[in-house]
Amino acid sequence: KAGVTQTPRYLIKTRGQQVTLSCSPISGHRSVSWYQQTPGQGLQFLFEYFSETQRNKGNFPGRFSGRQFSNSRSEMNVSTLELGDSALYLCASSAPLENEQFFGPGTRLTVL
Amino acid sequence: GDSVTQMEGPVTLSEEAFLTINCTYTATGYPSLFWYVQYPGEGLQLLLKATKADDKGSNKGFEATYRKETTSFHLEKGSVQVSDSAVYFCALRGRGSTLGRLYFGRGTQLTVWP
Repeated sequence: KAGVTQTPRYLIKTRGQQVTLSCSPISGHRSVSWYQQTPGQGLQFLFEYFSETQRNKGNFPGRFSGRQFSNSRSEMNVSTLELGDSALYLCASSAPLENEQFFGPGTRLTVL
Repeated sequence: GDSVTQMEGPVTLSEEAFLTINCTYTATGYPSLFWYVQYPGEGLQLLLKATKADDKGSNKGFEATYRKETTSFHLEKGSVQVSDSAVYFCALRGRGSTLGRLYFGRGTQLTVWP
């Protein structure tokens, strides 16, 4: 069974631009969660989607948004990029009634 | 709210040494507990888990026991290898409204020398 995939793996953007990251969960998984990882703040929860509905949201500004499609694939969008948005963005999926999350390799975003 | 506190590193050991990384948690109810490992340039890999008190999770020689009385989930390995060098994260998954969210510790960098 294929693991969680994330595209692209690396991105370089400039301040003020926007970016869209994509995540394809493991087949059969309906929950997708997003995390931001930085050296200073560690791993921080962004949001979680289940069956196309946002079920949980972390403490991030409204510039960070996401969505989930009917095939469970998810995207997150960051608008008006700031230097502090430079991070590794990780996506994780989990199966119904299971409590472990499986992570993708991440997208490394650099904002210049 | 829910939170995880883990021993911060870095931890440096010689090959075949004994490893302990401490992890304590704060949570309401009965969370599930996890250890994840991250190798350079990669995402997180689930190392082991425990879902109820006194459960012992184990994988690849690593072990951790869910201790409700001390709210702890310490990671141990009897004999580390160079290939165990990585960052280790303790995490919990709560119940109820935060079900889909993992709370992570700050991570512990482990370096094993030959």
